[in-house]
Amino acid sequence: DAGITQSPRHKVTETGTPVTLRCHQTENHRYMYWYRQDPGHGLRLIHYSYGVKDTDKGEVSDGYSVSRSKTEDFLLTLESATSSQTSVYFCAIRRGEDTEAFFGQGTRLTVV
Amino acid sequence: AQSVAQPEDQVNVAEGNPLTVKCTYSVSGNPYLFWYVQYPNRGLQFLLKYITGDNLVKGSYGFEAEFNKSQTSFHLKKPSALVSDSALYFCAVRATDSWGKLQFGAGTQVVVTP
Repeated sequence: DAGITQSPRHKVTETGTPVTLRCHQTENHRYMYWYRQDPGHGLRLIHYSYGVKDTDKGEVSDGYSVSRSKTEDFLLTLESATSSQTSVYFCAIRRGEDTEAFFGQGTRLTVV
Repeated sequence: AQSVAQPEDQVNVAEGNPLTVKCTYSVSGNPYLFWYVQYPNRGLQFLLKYITGDNLVKGSYGFEAEFNKSQTSFHLKKPSALVSDSALYFCAVRATDSWGKLQFGAGTQVVVTP
């Protein structure tokens, strides 16, 4: 699992409510990423971070915000959840320039 | 912009037969190419990567992939498939200056029958 913990692992929430997903790493790596997985789309990048308080948008960032106040934690917030945000969310880290990304176990989010 | 295409939604193969999962890509500059596998209700597991060097890359669980620059392809292969290889396979690409951002294909479901 490369020292990545996602929480919660499963969540059901109502439309319009805010939701925060947490990604915690134990290895002090600079780069962290949030992806969502949907059938037929593979994984798509939501936001990424290249250091504490350094974040940027990915391909599908609308409706999402992130924060990284500590190296080990990267938080993804759905400001007002919608049914289109029902998905499986994966956090990833990257250990170095030429290395692959390592993924967490995912969070299955259902918005009803 | 970078993109990845996995032209087959599903590949069916009998156990013991060769397995090929196709991937083509488009990226500016030199590509970093990756294959990941996902078992049901699990995260993505890294299989192999091409950064530079030999065009034939060997990875985990007996998988290999061949980088073909002229055809912009990076097909995943296994000489003899196992039932346990049944899973969802993703090809991914990133540009060298892209902050490590990965562009994934839609995925190919591999079904290996006994």
